[in-house]
Amino acid sequence: EDQVTQSPEALRLQEGESSSLNCSYTVSGLRGLFWYRQDPGKGPEFLFTLYSAGEEKEKERLKATLTKKESFLHITAPKPEDSATYLCAVQPQTGANSKLTFGKGITLSVRP
Amino acid sequence: SQTIHQWPATLVQPVGSPLSLECTVEGTSNPNLYWYRQAAGRGLQLLFYSVGIGQISSEVPQNLSASRPQDRQFILSSKKLLLSDSGFYLCAGSPQAYGYTFGSGTRLTVV
Repeated sequence: EDQVTQSPEALRLQEGESSSLNCSYTVSGLRGLFWYRQDPGKGPEFLFTLYSAGEEKEKERLKATLTKKESFLHITAPKPEDSATYLCAVQPQTGANSKLTFGKGITLSVRP
Repeated sequence: SQTIHQWPATLVQPVGSPLSLECTVEGTSNPNLYWYRQAAGRGLQLLFYSVGIGQISSEVPQNLSASRPQDRQFILSSKKLLLSDSGFYLCAGSPQAYGYTFGSGTRLTVV
């Protein structure tokens, strides 16, 4: 059974204080690992897809990396507008209709 | 690109009343469609998914049902709502069964 564990559950940072969010996973052959951002009362918004170990992707202050067992979302010099819940999900290779398995999310609060 | 339209944004319904939430897809044909419920601290719970018209798979036995009458329409229903049906409901679509796009969600409160 595919599993995704995100840590910590919540993270409070001062504006400008860089940190990383962790996503550990087990999956029967990885088709893709996804990061989403979710604001309160809204649907998750797609951030990144990573396909293989060693891959990295960047968007503004966010950088996602992938190993064979985990992914990190690095946040450099965060701003209050980066406050949100960040979701990680994995999609297995097996099956034409393989479904994503989501973690419970990490709630990030950035204080000005 | 794919866009998921979902409404209403919020809904307050009495116990025992029926429910119908609609989700429509714009920008792709024959997507896989999903209904999720999200509860605080519990993450996203997959309720139903559909790979085509009339094809529905249920992940969790419950008081809800789903239907897909058209390629780009996915409906979540209940004949009689329970208090435990309260939550944040999300529709998602996956073109070519790869990656998801989410709708904006419906906050359902059963009173």
